[in-house]
Amino acid sequence: EAGVAQSPRYKIIEKRQSVAFWCNPISGHATLYWYQQILGQGPKLLIQFQNNGVVDDSQLPKDRFSAERLKGVDSTLKIQPAKLEDSAVYLCASSLTAGANVLTFGAGSRLTVL
Amino acid sequence: AQSVTQLGSHVSVSEGALVLLRCNYSSSVPPYLFWYVQYPNQGLQLLLKYTSAATLVKGINGFEAEFKKSETSFHLTKPSAHMSDAAEYFCAVSDQGAQKLVFGQGTRLTINP
Repeated sequence: EAGVAQSPRYKIIEKRQSVAFWCNPISGHATLYWYQQILGQGPKLLIQFQNNGVVDDSQLPKDRFSAERLKGVDSTLKIQPAKLEDSAVYLCASSLTAGANVLTFGAGSRLTVL
Repeated sequence: AQSVTQLGSHVSVSEGALVLLRCNYSSSVPPYLFWYVQYPNQGLQLLLKYTSAATLVKGINGFEAEFKKSETSFHLTKPSAHMSDAAEYFCAVSDQGAQKLVFGQGTRLTINP
């Protein structure tokens, strides 16, 4: 089975610019997660979707971050405007059900904000 | 709220030696516990998980972990380290509704020849 696909793998932008990351989960996986992993730290959940609905976005900085999963399949995470502290790896993961015990992660998108 | 503490951000062992990576959790409800491994420039890969069945859990690549409720611990071990085990290891906890994972800060494992 194909894994979780993410693009781009690397992105370098200036502060105050915008950026978007794309994720295509494993086929049939209803639940999709976006995690932020800052260098030297563990991943932190930004947002969780169940199909095309948001389950948890309590840690998403909504003044600059947005995410959507319009058709309940692939998802886009956007940052606008970016800050220096947004430099991180953005990991997408998916699971068959809402049970977190079967998460499959993508390789991540590394963002550097200058 | 749930949390995980990984003792030691960096562990170094010799090839063939015992690997012990420590994880303590805090949870007000019975937890599910996980260990993930992350190789450079790759995503996280599940090593093993505890979901309230056997307290000694065996995973991939010869790793195992033991759930100890009295110590609120879920330490990861491997009897004999291999060079290919060099990676970052993350412990994570979720509640049994399993809506989201909370990760520790990670432990970087280095294997010396």
